[in-house]
Amino acid sequence: DIQMTQSPPSLSASLGDKVTITCQASQNINKYIAWYQQKPGKAPRLLIRYTSTLDSGTPSRFSGSGSGRDYSFSISNVESEDIASYYCLQYDNLWTFGGGTKLELK
Amino acid sequence: QVTLKESGPGILQPSQTLSLACSFSGFSLSTSGICVSWIRQPSGKGLEWLATICWEDSKDYNPSLTNRLTISKDTSNNQAFLKITSVDTADTAIYYCARRAEGGDYFDYWGQGVMVTVSS
Repeated sequence: DIQMTQSPPSLSASLGDKVTITCQASQNINKYIAWYQQKPGKAPRLLIRYTSTLDSGTPSRFSGSGSGRDYSFSISNVESEDIASYYCLQYDNLWTFGGGTKLELK
Repeated sequence: QVTLKESGPGILQPSQTLSLACSFSGFSLSTSGICVSWIRQPSGKGLEWLATICWEDSKDYNPSLTNRLTISKDTSNNQAFLKITSVDTADTAIYYCARRAEGGDYFDYWGQGVMVTVSS
């Protein structure tokens, strides 16, 4: 089984900040990682697929990078609508989610 | 337009079998490449993939739960199903169904989720 270690579990940011979340896989996942945003009471929403490809409708302030075992997800210029939880998902071998990161306003 | 909607019993007792249904539109589970998955989320916690079924009837299960899970489909009625046997309070969660993207193994469309509570 592939394990995904996501950090930090929580993050406090001011509007306009840049924030970065990381996910480390227990083995090489060949860039097969997606990132989701989840707001309270809602289903997750796909933001990024295949490490860095923005899904349709994802604002350009979101970005992703990485390779091998190590991946990161960033939001530049945090906006109030970005306050949510974020999850990584590896889909190289079955599916495993990271533990999640809750983004809050400072 | 792709939509998915889950349905379930709401509440059930420990040791019972949980039966969930996912009704979808905008795609067909008889189309090559199409798969539907089940994912759950305990209140205030993270997401856990449970099972996936594909157009050709292949099935994958979370290795930590495989002996309790059964996924199936009714292609004619655009539905997918999940059964979980011998439930206990740890199975209390929101259960989502999601479509595996065409051309990629990530999940692109999700249902709204259905809350299931296991309680005596």
